[in-house]
Amino acid sequence: DIQMTQSPSSLSASVGDRVTITCRASQNINRFLNWYQQKPGKAPKLLIYAASSLQSGVPSRFSGSGSGTDFTLTITNLQPEDFATFYCQQSSSTPLTFGGGSKVEIK
Amino acid sequence: QVQLQESGPGLVKPSETLSLTCTVSGGSISSYYWSWIRQSPGKGLEWIGYIYYNGATNYNPALKSRVTFSVDTSKNQFSLKMTSVTAADTAVYFCARGGMAATRLDYWGQGILVIVSS
Repeated sequence: DIQMTQSPSSLSASVGDRVTITCRASQNINRFLNWYQQKPGKAPKLLIYAASSLQSGVPSRFSGSGSGTDFTLTITNLQPEDFATFYCQQSSSTPLTFGGGSKVEIK
Repeated sequence: QVQLQESGPGLVKPSETLSLTCTVSGGSISSYYWSWIRQSPGKGLEWIGYIYYNGATNYNPALKSRVTFSVDTSKNQFSLKMTSVTAADTAVYFCARGGMAATRLDYWGQGILVIVSS
């Protein structure tokens, strides 16, 4: 199975900040990398697919980059509704696997 | 807008079979892959597998021996059965659209908490 490692596991930030979360795959996954946002008691919501494509309806302050084994999710101008846990997920091969999550908390 | 809704018992006894159904509304189940994913505090998000509308399946090897998926296109539903459950299977179970390699999980159900306990 492909292992996905996220960092940091948690971070504190303020409204208006720029936040960066990284995700590393245990092997080359090209650009088959998706990002999700999850709020407490809710299902994950797709933000970014294929490493950098913005899912329909997702604000443009979310962006993704990377290829191969190293990927980044960036949130610019952090908004109050953005405080949540973010997960990366590889779709290069099955079984699909997820990172351990990065929780963005209010400073 | 595609919507998914999980249903089934919220409490299952150890060694018994967990059975869940996902009902898809706002779109057809045909021509898509449909996944089950679970989330527990101990193991995070775990993909259980997918079923295609024609019945083709792909299971996570870690669970393959205990899991069976089925689909009912006439009802726009797909289902999960997991046998011989233990406390380690206690989790929130989600259904979602997608799951084939190179695709994304773009629509999710709200999730259903299943507790395994006597």
